[in-house]
Amino acid sequence: SQTIHQWPATLVQPVGSPLSLECTVEGTSNPNLYWYRQAAGRGLQLLFYSVGIGQISSEVPQNLSASRPQDRQFILSSKKLLLSDSGFYLCAWSGTGERTQYFGPGTRLTVL
Amino acid sequence: GNSVTQMEGPVTLSEEAFLTINCTYTATGYPSLFWYVQYPGEGLQLLLKATKADDKGSNKGFEATYRKETTSFHLEKGSVQVSDSAVYFCALSRDNTDKLIFGTGTRLQVFP
Repeated sequence: SQTIHQWPATLVQPVGSPLSLECTVEGTSNPNLYWYRQAAGRGLQLLFYSVGIGQISSEVPQNLSASRPQDRQFILSSKKLLLSDSGFYLCAWSGTGERTQYFGPGTRLTVL
Repeated sequence: GNSVTQMEGPVTLSEEAFLTINCTYTATGYPSLFWYVQYPGEGLQLLLKATKADDKGSNKGFEATYRKETTSFHLEKGSVQVSDSAVYFCALSRDNTDKLIFGTGTRLQVFP
């Protein structure tokens, strides 16, 4: 069966520091991968999605970036965090050509 | 554009009460429709889905019917439990990149 992992689970970072969040998927190959952000008390905003290694599409211009160095690994990064980057970051995957997405446990990021 | 509208929360119910959470959508073509549930501090779990008009998705006592004529996908449960307390998200997926468009979420609180 497929599983999706995210780490760290929680993170507290100062403004201006770098960020690296990691997401890995097991039990499937060539998945579509997604990064979402959920601000406190709000819905989900799609940040990036990827249909293959090295293929990244950005939905919202911002100071975040994403990379997919391996088939089942998706990384969310920032060179300098802003206060507004605080939130709950969720990674998700879907099978090629399938519309159902499956979510990881999330990373709660607090920028102080 | 494509969008999902959910009823405002919180929805507060007593245990064993009947639940309805309204969801309507705007989309061209033939979207797939989803309900996800988020328990406190966790990621999203797929609750149920429907891929074409008149389909009924069901899981764990929850049901939703894809109504194309009213562009709705209302979530229902005949008898809620305290353990159903969570945030419920309605979502649609329309194109081949499988991007999900979410509603803002509805918080359900069930009291004994």
